[in-house]
Amino acid sequence: AQSVSQHNHHVILSEAASLELGCNYSYGGTVNLFWYVQYPGQHLQLLLKYFSGDPLVKGIKGFEAEFIKSKFSFNLRKPSVQWSDTAEYFCAVNAPQAGTALIFGKGTTLSVSS
Amino acid sequence: EAGVTQFPSHSVIEKGQTVTLRCDPISGHDNLYWYRRVMGKEIKFLLHFVKESKQDESGMPNNRFLAERTGGTYSTLKVQPAELEDSGVYFCASSLRLAGSYNEQFFGPGTRLTVL
Repeated sequence: AQSVSQHNHHVILSEAASLELGCNYSYGGTVNLFWYVQYPGQHLQLLLKYFSGDPLVKGIKGFEAEFIKSKFSFNLRKPSVQWSDTAEYFCAVNAPQAGTALIFGKGTTLSVSS
Repeated sequence: EAGVTQFPSHSVIEKGQTVTLRCDPISGHDNLYWYRRVMGKEIKFLLHFVKESKQDESGMPNNRFLAERTGGTYSTLKVQPAELEDSGVYFCASSLRLAGSYNEQFFGPGTRLTVL
């Protein structure tokens, strides 16, 4: 069965620190990859996505992610976090051959102190 | 444009009772999904509608859960009878249905269900 692993449950950073959240998935075929974010009191929203092409994708609010096929990874990065980045981050995978449903990781809570 | 809406935002019921959750997708979105997050676990897929038809219900946990989407607009998810393990946040998402591409799923705020 497909699964998604997020390495960190809770990350605590100071403003201006760099961020990297790990995500690995288990599926051998073609995948679409996503990072979603849920800010306190808000809906889940798409941060960025990868379907094909350049494995380094840029999303909203200065976030980027790199797809490394050989490692089955799709890590999220941001060079300098802000207090407003405090949120829960979810990595998700879709396997097109299996339909359009998303398979999520358990989420990583990011707390940024000012 | 209105986003995906869900009602109620919170529901507290006793074991054995029935609860019905509602989702209104974004207008024009043929795809509608239900997901659930049990505390401490990942968000899990429950089922997928294309218009009024169930495209994939492989994630439905058991026959106490019944989802409908009459007329292909809003959807309801009924839990009858509710059990303690049904507690969690139920998310609805919707997307366009454009051939040949993967379409972004837009999520609602979720319904937090607590079964006592």
